[in-house]
Amino acid sequence: QVQLVESGGGVVQPGRSLRLSCAASGFTFSNYGMHWVRQAPGKGLEWVSLIRYDGSNKYYADSVKGRFTISRDNSKNTLYLQMNSLSAEDTAVYHCAREAVAGIYYFDYWGQGTLVTVS
Amino acid sequence: DIVMTQSPDSLAVSLGERATINCKSSQSVLYSSNNKNYLAWYQQKPGQPPKLLIYWASTRESGVPDRFSGSGSGTDFTLTISSLQAEDVAVYYCQQYYNTLSLTFGGGTKVEIK
Repeated sequence: QVQLVESGGGVVQPGRSLRLSCAASGFTFSNYGMHWVRQAPGKGLEWVSLIRYDGSNKYYADSVKGRFTISRDNSKNTLYLQMNSLSAEDTAVYHCAREAVAGIYYFDYWGQGTLVTVS
Repeated sequence: DIVMTQSPDSLAVSLGERATINCKSSQSVLYSSNNKNYLAWYQQKPGQPPKLLIYWASTRESGVPDRFSGSGSGTDFTLTISSLQAEDVAVYYCQQYYNTLSLTFGGGTKVEIK
């Protein structure tokens, strides 16, 4: 079955960096675009970034553009999010999510998420 | 960005009764070339990630009970739970995927038992 397992979250000081990972299994990872979606404590969902199935294109929300970098290693079935210059506003649970159909950006599988606390 | 506005913020419904959640987009999410509405609905229970319920505004995801239905077109959409069950207590979100460079979600609607 499809599984997405995030890791790498934790408590980090403002201005520092953190790298999140999302290990995928149960499907052909290299066939799917992948996304990061975050949720601040007690708040709604905010899309963060996407990467095409082959890593050829990457897009970011304005709130993270220039600070976050999405990447993937299809040989390791792993998605990454490098987060730099973190601020309190980045405190959230970060979920990785799979787009249900290549190029159509709704999400059929989500990971449980990893909590990032900037403090 | 396309702004997604959900209403109400919360609602309490008796078991077996109908629950209706509205979602309005600031611009149309209907793609004229294929006549599809780029709108999805998710359910999120406490401590869990969101779960896909509906896509293309009205297509139920496999395994989703048929008491969940989606309707609407253009800018106005509705998620209906025809007969509320205890396990439906959750927060529900709409999401537009029309603007592929800036995906946006509604603010969420919390559904509780009256």
